[in-house]
Amino acid sequence: NAGVTQTPKFRVLKTGQSMTLLCAQDMNHEYMYWYRQDPGMGLRLIHYSVGEGTTAKGEVPDGYNVSRLKKQNFLLGLESAAPSQTSVYFCASNLAGAEQYFGPGTRLTVT
Amino acid sequence: DQQVKQNSPSLSVQEGRISILNCDYTNSMFDYFLWYKKYPAEGPTFLISISSIKDKNEDGRFTVFLNKSAKHLSLHIVPSQPGDSAVYFCAAVPYGGSQGNLIFGKGTKLSVKP
Repeated sequence: NAGVTQTPKFRVLKTGQSMTLLCAQDMNHEYMYWYRQDPGMGLRLIHYSVGEGTTAKGEVPDGYNVSRLKKQNFLLGLESAAPSQTSVYFCASNLAGAEQYFGPGTRLTVT
Repeated sequence: DQQVKQNSPSLSVQEGRISILNCDYTNSMFDYFLWYKKYPAEGPTFLISISSIKDKNEDGRFTVFLNKSAKHLSLHIVPSQPGDSAVYFCAAVPYGGSQGNLIFGKGTKLSVKP
């Protein structure tokens, strides 16, 4: 039982490049989330999903897209990376009404 | 404007003593509160929660107190241990919101000195 895993752990992008972050969970959770954490800030919700095939915007969705084609996977895409997207990205999952389980994070630097 | 505030960026406590971490909120419609602990280079892990219908919840060395009239909650750790050194985040769920609507504070870094 791996819990929530994130791929990759680190990535450096140039401005304008694209990439996809992968989140996988093996707990059969319905809900999945993407957050970003910046220095001195709490976690801010980017997008979330309440089930396979559904997605919704969070607090800071601009510049990101997501897809939930399979229940266990939640993908976060950056179509044209900007330096302002330099951050640590966390994925989380849970059952409705229960606490969220977080992955280990992806540290992204955009130069 | 921040809805969940942790006004102390850091706290240092001696091993064996009590650690008290504070959290204030502005939205009276928050229904549920959680505390998460985060070690460097790891994701946050759930610690303890409290519903708005309660004023106290206890789990081992960890107790969360909720004062709804003051819109304030606190996490008490007794006794504090060096392994408790981490960043602690307070989070709130709006009434009727899914867990996807977690609103986090900026965190308090706790250092427990041996």
